[in-house]
Amino acid sequence: SQQGEEDPQALSIQEGENATMNCSYKTSINNLQWYRQNSGRGLVHLILIRSNEREKHSGRLRVTLDTSKKSSSLLITASRAADTASYFCATTGYSTLTFGKGTMLLVSP
Amino acid sequence: GAVVSQHPSRVICKSGTSVKIECRSLDFQATTMFWYRQFPKQSLMLMATSNEGSKATYEQGVEKDKFLINHASLTLSTLTVTSAHPEDSSFYICSARSGQNTEAFFGQGTRLTVV
Repeated sequence: SQQGEEDPQALSIQEGENATMNCSYKTSINNLQWYRQNSGRGLVHLILIRSNEREKHSGRLRVTLDTSKKSSSLLITASRAADTASYFCATTGYSTLTFGKGTMLLVSP
Repeated sequence: GAVVSQHPSRVICKSGTSVKIECRSLDFQATTMFWYRQFPKQSLMLMATSNEGSKATYEQGVEKDKFLINHASLTLSTLTVTSAHPEDSSFYICSARSGQNTEAFFGQGTRLTVV
């Protein structure tokens, strides 16, 4: 069953702006991962943050994790048109990897 | 980086036939593999989780006799859609990971169309 819930469901911004997506989950986790998916394609792993970490950076990506609120955020700075895609958070429990519904990001030139 | 190869990428089959989709981890041992199904513009729905050498654990509502999963080795899992029907048309994606706290790597996905 799905556990993660991303918001917003859709986000439309201009190139150069920052994009923030949020993810909430329900049960305790081992780690949380963010993925992107271009239309009709497979998923690309972006970043993994473990349950004992609070923040992680990778290039233009910044992920935070608040286990007390059971939430995570993904920030993409200085967005580009090529960042247009759907973004999903996935939570890992003991034996499963479950996905949220995703945020569709549209970056206009 | 680690690569998961999924084959075929596209398949069209006739109603009533069976289709096998392969998922291989190319440079790591995948102790756990996941199979997902994705409908247009929706998220991935976990169908089943398989650990090497044991029976797959299916999610509620997924028919195990229709979606046969075999994870016979640490580098290969297969999903067979038996007696396919048009409603089985979907995008199927596998993922694999080597350990519980490691990232999962995804295959390229298989677009199944049943006519």
